Amino acid sequence: QQQVKQSPQSLIVQKGGISIINCAYENTAFDYFPWYQQFPGKGPALLIAIRPDVSEKKEGRFTISFNKSAKQFSLHIMDSQPGDSATYFCASAVTGGFKTIFGAGTRLFVKA
Amino acid sequence: DVKVTQSSRYLVKRTGEKVFLECVQDMDHENMFWYRQDPGLGLRLIYFSYDVKMKEKGDIPEGYSVSREKKERFSLILESASTNQTSMYLCASSPPRFTEAFFGQGTRLTVV
Repeated sequence: QQQVKQSPQSLIVQKGGISIINCAYENTAFDYFPWYQQFPGKGPALLIAIRPDVSEKKEGRFTISFNKSAKQFSLHIMDSQPGDSATYFCASAVTGGFKTIFGAGTRLFVKA
Repeated sequence: DVKVTQSSRYLVKRTGEKVFLECVQDMDHENMFWYRQDPGLGLRLIYFSYDVKMKEKGDIPEGYSVSREKKERFSLILESASTNQTSMYLCASSPPRFTEAFFGQGTRLTVV
């Protein structure tokens, strides 16, 4: 079974701090690495995604760092805000394929 | 605004009942998916469909079946509900080359 291992399970960060969530994958065929954000009572929504031809992608306060040799990628949320409190899922997929493998999720709570 | 709509937010069913979960998307997407979300396990793929009347098993298809008679509609069927099928069920759709998946709001099913 292909796996995507995500850590930590839960995270508490002070407002203005940096939130960091890590993921590791096994299958070197994966070429698409999205992060999804899920608020309570809602379905997950795409937050940011990266392909392995770049080592970093930034969108606003959200940055993905990608280490192809280590088969790891991480989400950094700069200047974390209470509105960022949600569950975050990393995922890995093969473009054109049908199976996305999701991590177990990280519940982030940003304290005001 | 793109939309994936699941017919029920909450359902309570009895053990042994046949249960139908309905999902409709308005984006003309070829691909549709059913996931199950459980704490600590992330999202696990039950079934997916890449065209009308086509279906493929995901990672945990046992106890489930699906139906796709129209492009916009994908139904998940629990043939004989059991308590271990109590979970959050998420429907998603995506375009053919599968980059971003669009999720519905989820159906929280309780089997008693």
